[in-house]
Amino acid sequence: DARVTQTPRHKVTEMGQEVTMRCQPILGHNTVFWYRQTMMQGLELLAYFRNRAPLDDSGMPKDRFSAEMPDATLATLKIQPSEPRDSAVYFCASGPEGTSYEQYFGPGTRLTVT
Amino acid sequence: AQSVSQHNHHVILSEAASLELGCNYSYGGTVNLFWYVQYPGQHLQLLLKYFSGDPLVKGIKGFEAEFIKSKFSFNLRKPSVQWSDTAEYFCAVIFLGGSYIPTFGRGTSLIVHP
Repeated sequence: DARVTQTPRHKVTEMGQEVTMRCQPILGHNTVFWYRQTMMQGLELLAYFRNRAPLDDSGMPKDRFSAEMPDATLATLKIQPSEPRDSAVYFCASGPEGTSYEQYFGPGTRLTVT
Repeated sequence: AQSVSQHNHHVILSEAASLELGCNYSYGGTVNLFWYVQYPGQHLQLLLKYFSGDPLVKGIKGFEAEFIKSKFSFNLRKPSVQWSDTAEYFCAVIFLGGSYIPTFGRGTSLIVHP
């Protein structure tokens, strides 16, 4: 049963520290999304990749966030420096490009910045 | 701008009651439609999807949704809810011909009392 995996599942860090979150999309999926979910803002799209190329990162604070896909099996989301307002659950999702464009979500990384 | 509206933010039902959650979108062109479910503390999972064919779509766990093109709606239904249906439900729309990035509704929180 193919799944999107994310590491770490939980991260507690101090303000100012660098945070790196990793995602392994489902093999064969060529779209990858990063979302942030909070109670206040709900689900927000941070970044979107197709065939490893970043196509949309308009939802991402550029001064501190960066997203990359060094290869087809790994997507990363970095925050440097982290701030308490970055505390949220970060989800990665992948999907096959084709007829229906559904997404498969990973379990998420719960980030707490103190 | 294209948008997705979920009119019910919070729904509370007793077990065996019928459920209908509303979803409307703002685009008149061709769309792919999805309902995702997020159980407490978990990630989003695909409940059902529509991209062509029969506008009445059946998904997992007894859920179904009907695409009514003239009303730009894709309401989710279940004839008899269970306590285990307690979750957050998200409607998502992909506006074909655009960026193929899904637009999510704000979500509906469903609580089912035993």
